[in-house]
This record gives sequence, C-alpha cells and structure tokens, in this order.
Amino acid sequence: KNQVEQSPQSLIILEGKNCTLQCNYTVSPFSNLRWYKQDTGRGPVSLTIMTFSENTKSNGRYTATLDADTKQSSLHITASQLSDSASYICVVSGYSGGYNKLIFGAGTRLAVHP
Amino acid sequence: ETGVTQSPTHLIKTRGQQVTLRCSSQSGHNTVSWYQQALGQGPQFIFQYYREEENGRGNFPPRFSGLQFPNYSSELNVNALELDDSALYLCASSSTPDTDTQYFGPGTRLTVL
Repeated sequence: KNQVEQSPQSLIILEGKNCTLQCNYTVSPFSNLRWYKQDTGRGPVSLTIMTFSENTKSNGRYTATLDADTKQSSLHITASQLSDSASYICVVSGYSGGYNKLIFGAGTRLAVHP
Repeated sequence: ETGVTQSPTHLIKTRGQQVTLRCSSQSGHNTVSWYQQALGQGPQFIFQYYREEENGRGNFPPRFSGLQFPNYSSELNVNALELDDSALYLCASSSTPDTDTQYFGPGTRLTVL
C-alpha cells in the first residue's frame, strides 16, 4: 500500500533554533518527493522537490535530503522564524494510470515561539 | 499566490444536503485535481479532470462527482452530505496530467452539521 509517514506529529521550538522533520515512504512507482508548507486554512505551497537521483535540495533556510535506498527524507529548517509556524507536508508522487498520483503525509505541525 | 482561486471560502451545510464547490485554475492549465483534507490530516486525492473528462479517481464514493468546463475551471459536487464530509477541500491545477507540479488554491472549508 502506498503510504507516507511523517514524524514528529507536532513540534514546538524557540525562534532562532534549528529543527529536522522526518518522512518515510512506501510509494511505487516513485517519481519525486516534495516538501510543502501549509499555513492554517490555506493551500499547500511547494518548498522543495527532489527526484530519485538527488540527495539534497535547498531553498533558503530549508534544506531537504532524500535517501532513495531507505526511502527516507528529511526537512531541516535553520534559524527558525515565527513565520515558519505551519504544517509541513511530505508528498511523494508516482506516475501511474495516465496521471501523476500524489501521496500526502499527514504533516508535522511546527510552532515557533518567541 | 498561485493564481488558483476557490469559492466559497467557507460553507455550512446540514446532513443530507448537496453542495457545489468551484475552482478556477491557473491561466494555461488544463488539468484540475481535487483533494479532501480532514482536520490534522494530509490531503486525500478525490479525482482529476483533464480537458473536461475525469482522468483518475481516488477512493471516494460516487456521490462525489465533478465537472470541468471548456475554460478549464472545475466544480466538485457532493450529494447526500455526511458529517464526515466536513473538511478543507483543495483544488490544484497543473499544465498537464502527467506533471506533478500542482498549484493549490486556498481551499473551501465545508462544515456539515
């Protein structure tokens, strides 16, 4: 069964600190993996995308890693800001049956406190 | 902003009623996907429309149906609403069905009482 599991479920950190979010997946076929940021009540916005052959991708203070052998990914946030408070969703996509199927994790809810 | 708009923003219905949600895709995009996101969960794929035809469907019952119009805007219709249908409904547009670059709208929050 295609699944994406994220940990931790929620996280509280102080402003300026770093944190790492985890994603494990069992999705086949695999096309790529994205991390999305979703503010409360809003649609997800893509942060990074990695294909099978990429190990790391950065977008400002966000750095994602991918280990396609162990099917694990992480999102590292450096020098957190209050505006980083949001849900971070790991999404794995695989092309099957004529369209790209996106499998979403449940997300990690991050709260950054002053 | 992604250029994808949804209406209404919020909606309250009672069990058994029917609802229609609307989505305008980003300019130049001919593919729209709909997702249901329950509180505290990730989005679940409902279906995708490409050039006015359903192009893929997730594990949702037939009372969830959709339409795509010649201008590629789309509707999601849900009949015989149930309490568990309460969720944020997201639409996402893309330039083709075989690209995984989807741009999400802000969502419609549906509450079923």
